Amino acid sequence: GAGVSQSPSNKVTEKGKDVELRCDPISGHTALYWYRQRLGQGLEFLIYFQGNSAPDKSGLPSDRFSAERTGESVSTLTIQRTQQEDSAVYLCASSSYLYTDTQYFGPGTRLTVL
Amino acid sequence: LAKTTQPISMDSYEGQEVNITCSHNNIATNDYITWYQQFPSQGPRFIIQGYKTKVTNEVASLFIPADRKSSTLSLPRVSLSDTAVYYCLVGDRDSSYKLIFGSGTRLLVRP
Repeated sequence: GAGVSQSPSNKVTEKGKDVELRCDPISGHTALYWYRQRLGQGLEFLIYFQGNSAPDKSGLPSDRFSAERTGESVSTLTIQRTQQEDSAVYLCASSSYLYTDTQYFGPGTRLTVL
Repeated sequence: LAKTTQPISMDSYEGQEVNITCSHNNIATNDYITWYQQFPSQGPRFIIQGYKTKVTNEVASLFIPADRKSSTLSLPRVSLSDTAVYYCLVGDRDSSYKLIFGSGTRLLVRP
């Protein structure tokens, strides 16, 4: 079956602009996660959704970052007034239930802020 | 959360067995050990998970000694396509949704 998909695959934007990153999880997966990976580094947890609610937003770097999920499906990560330090690969993952460390990752969106 | 320590990089040749060891001295009783693999420009992929002794699947084996303060991922007869970064994660299964990835081990398989 289809895996996790993300769009766009690459995004280049100017400093100060807003960007929206999209994630389509595996159908039927109730849990969805966003991570950030800077070049050559490990992953940073940003936020997770259980259904449409986001109980843990502790990883969001600043109030410029927000995320939503609708219909227990698609999720959007929005970064307002982008800064150069936001440049990274943003990865989305999903799992069939929340309390599992077996997550299925998408290919990521590479964001470059000029 | 238990902190893990892995070698930064390893080199191997096709057909060899590769063993990557991860140290996790502060592992808690409820913690599981999980390994992920990441190819360039892709998201991480689950490889194997274990709690104690030995676990084997179609891809790899995981060896965990009795004190559980370390674990070894074993890749039998590696090929060029096994060149990737390998991450060791340790966490309580009930709160492990927040995967904590370190820098991982960069494995290079040479012909």
